[in-house]
Amino acid sequence: DADVTQTPRNRITKTGKRIMLECSQTKGHDRMYWYRQDPGLGLRLIYYSFDVKDINKGEISDGYSVSRQAQAKFSLSLESAIPNQTALYFCATSGPGQGNQPQHFGDGTRLSIL
Amino acid sequence: GQQLNQSPQSMFIQEGEDVSMNCTSSSIFNTWLWYKQDPGEGPVLLIALYKAGELTSNGRLTAQFGITRKDSFLNISASIPSDVGIYFCAGPTSGGSNYKLTFGKGTLLTVNP
Repeated sequence: DADVTQTPRNRITKTGKRIMLECSQTKGHDRMYWYRQDPGLGLRLIYYSFDVKDINKGEISDGYSVSRQAQAKFSLSLESAIPNQTALYFCATSGPGQGNQPQHFGDGTRLSIL
Repeated sequence: GQQLNQSPQSMFIQEGEDVSMNCTSSSIFNTWLWYKQDPGEGPVLLIALYKAGELTSNGRLTAQFGITRKDSFLNISASIPSDVGIYFCAGPTSGGSNYKLTFGKGTLLTVNP
């Protein structure tokens, strides 16, 4: 089983709809992240959370919100989806400590907004 | 904010050839990470570098942490078809931690059998 699981894997929806992408992890990591990937632009950070009570905006948080329901769960919401939010979305986790802990990614959610 | 310039953007090579790609930063990093993304999957960590000058191998992959701490290199020797994918470099966005990472825009590698 995957350590970082994203659902759904694919979603097609219409402009104006509310959408929630979910992420759960079995790695026991405190830190969780949501990224967006667009062709030629690499991965851009949307939101991140260092623990259940901590939520921080990333570089492209406008139009998105998140909820950290538990240590293992971090969901991303688009309150009113628009076509330029069509992208591949990744959840990631990392371990605790001051040290340099690499991030571990889920397999992504491909979101298309018509 | 910190920026990473990754090059080349894409490479088309023949099976068996060696590959080299690099990343440069606008500021000093204390960590460099190299990830590979296979089609339809999330990025997977290949190599982590934590010290200037460090040279680390993972099978046919070798990565180096530049002496200036502003660059890193990834080499793949004797490429095979399963090396196809997007390779990303990444480094800490601010401070000394990996809590937030900045990613390069990726190098798309195509290997012709």
